Amino acid sequence: KNQVEQSPQSLIILEGKNCTLQCNYTVSPFSNLRWYKQDTGRGPVSLTIMTFSENTKSNGRYTATLDADTKQSSLHITASQLSDSASYICVVKVGDSSYKLIFGSGTRLLVRP
Amino acid sequence: NAGVTQTPKFQVLKTGQSMTLQCAQDMNHNSMYWYRQDPGMGLRLIYYSASEGTTDKGEVPNGYNVSRLNKREFSLRLESAAPSQTSVYFCASSEVGPPREQYFGPGTRLTVT
Repeated sequence: KNQVEQSPQSLIILEGKNCTLQCNYTVSPFSNLRWYKQDTGRGPVSLTIMTFSENTKSNGRYTATLDADTKQSSLHITASQLSDSASYICVVKVGDSSYKLIFGSGTRLLVRP
Repeated sequence: NAGVTQTPKFQVLKTGQSMTLQCAQDMNHNSMYWYRQDPGMGLRLIYYSASEGTTDKGEVPNGYNVSRLNKREFSLRLESAAPSQTSVYFCASSEVGPPREQYFGPGTRLTVT
């Protein structure tokens, strides 16, 4: 069964600190892995898309890593800001020709001043 | 350039009532999608439209119908609402070619009593 699991479910950090969110997946065939940020009451917004051959990808203070051998990904947030408070969703696309995405249930991050 | 827009933002229905959720995109994308998001779960695909004139069932299509009105618009209809359809509904659109990055609307929060 295709699954995407994220940890932790929720996380509280102080402003300015770094954090790392985890994603494990069992999806076959694998096409790409995405990280989305979802602010409360809004739709998800893409942060990164990584294909099989990409190990690391950055978008400002967000850095995603992908280990295709262990089927793990992480999202590292550097020097957190209050605006980083949101849910972060790991998503894996099934196969290159399909439209199917497998969504994780997300990690809810709260950044406190 | 508004991206993906959805109406209404909030709706309360009584069991058995019907309604249509509207979605429009101005990015000239060929593919459009309807998802539902429930607490503690990842987004699940209800229906999608690979291109104008085509629609296909996703993971949870029961109780819903869709219409791809034209390239811009994709509507979701609940013919006889049930409490189990209480959820947040997101519309998304993407290009056909890889990586098929999906852009999400702001969502419709639906409560069925």
